[in-house]
Amino acid sequence: DAMVIQNPRYQVTQFGKPVTLSCSQTLNHNVMYWYQQKSSQAPKLLFHYYDKDFNNEADTPDNFQSRRPNTSFCFLDIRSPGLGDAAMYLCATNQGAGRDNEQFFGPGTRLTVL
Amino acid sequence: AQKVTQAQTEISVVEKEDVTLDCVYETRDTTYYLFWYKQPPSGELVFLIRRNSFDEQNEISGRYSWNFQKSTSSFNFTITASQVVDSAVYFCALSEAEDSNYQLIWGAGTKLIIKP
Repeated sequence: DAMVIQNPRYQVTQFGKPVTLSCSQTLNHNVMYWYQQKSSQAPKLLFHYYDKDFNNEADTPDNFQSRRPNTSFCFLDIRSPGLGDAAMYLCATNQGAGRDNEQFFGPGTRLTVL
Repeated sequence: AQKVTQAQTEISVVEKEDVTLDCVYETRDTTYYLFWYKQPPSGELVFLIRRNSFDEQNEISGRYSWNFQKSTSSFNFTITASQVVDSAVYFCALSEAEDSNYQLIWGAGTKLIIKP
């Protein structure tokens, strides 16, 4: 089945130790998104790619960066995680053809910062 | 500006009761899409429904039904004969056709608790 895959599902890191979260998709969608979701809140968009074009949200901290080496993969790098970065990180994709605007979500990676 | 309001922060009902989750939206676009997503305790966001602004027909899928009314800018979600497995956080979201980034504007979510 075509899907959005996130690895790992659970990630524990230490304060200040760089961490990378990965997302892959078999949907061949043009758009990929990274969201941060904290407990009892709606997902907060960090950035997204339309093909190779990177779009950063204005309030996304510089500590967060992303890479998209090809259509299928997208990475979220947190350079120096702080305690406040502990959250669920969700990857999503969108066809980008403007026909349905539906986003497909992965299962998420829950990040713990010690 | 675009906005989605889910006024109910938390709803608790006993199993088999019917429950309605409210969603009110604001947009200046004439073409837009409305969504409902379910987020169970496991964390994955599960797509439930998409409605475009030109289709005001109500939708029924099993125990789930959706009432889209442009006149009141509402897109409410009803669960009939609720079950414990329906316990989750439900998000309503809006996407505008003019937004080339296809971004979702999210409501704050409604936590639904179904008691056995």
